[in-house]
Amino acid sequence: SAVISQKPSRDICQRGTSLTIQCQVDSQVTMMFWYRQQPGQSLTLIATANQGSEATYESGFVIDKFPISRPNLTFSTLTVSNMSPEDSSIYLCSVVVVYEQYFGPGTRLTVT
Amino acid sequence: ELKVEQNPLFLSMQEGKNYTIYCNYSTTSDRLYWYRQDPGKSLESLFVLLSNGAVKQEGRLMASLDTKARLSTLHITAAVHDLSATYFCAVDPLTSGTYKYIFGTGTRLKVLA
Repeated sequence: SAVISQKPSRDICQRGTSLTIQCQVDSQVTMMFWYRQQPGQSLTLIATANQGSEATYESGFVIDKFPISRPNLTFSTLTVSNMSPEDSSIYLCSVVVVYEQYFGPGTRLTVT
Repeated sequence: ELKVEQNPLFLSMQEGKNYTIYCNYSTTSDRLYWYRQDPGKSLESLFVLLSNGAVKQEGRLMASLDTKARLSTLHITAAVHDLSATYFCAVDPLTSGTYKYIFGTGTRLKVLA
């Protein structure tokens, strides 16, 4: 299993600013995943963060908007840059351990 | 493009009744997952189904997987109010160890007392 923590749990940000979300896992994992869940919607994968290499972004997501760091095997950050109200969502990090996916508690972001 | 569809999207049911949520997917896979999400919370893993014919049960919930039909079901027996939540299925498209699970649309379940 895996226990994941995220910071901050929620934030209200102004348009045009940036927010960095931190994700900490209690064990070493190769891949960490960042998801976005817009209000009332399902989850959409933003990118996969691998330690020691560039993150892999899904279609519709770009590094300039969502830069990701992965400095070691237990930690990752996702930055939401130049925010607009459309970025208001829950951002979740997750890991997979023996085929089972575990999610962090999420960061609820509201952009005004 | 892999699609994962759930139906119904919304389900309102009386306590004590039975119902089934369906999850259809469009590509070959033998790994399917069910999650529960309470309002304002993260996702909680319910079931991991890793082969054709897999069936798992926990309390009033039972999940099954038919990989030939590309269909999974989540059956609710004698529903209680505490089961009210949104349920997601997710499919692993088996793309060479990437674990890029694709999530279904979600089924919002409300159990009425």
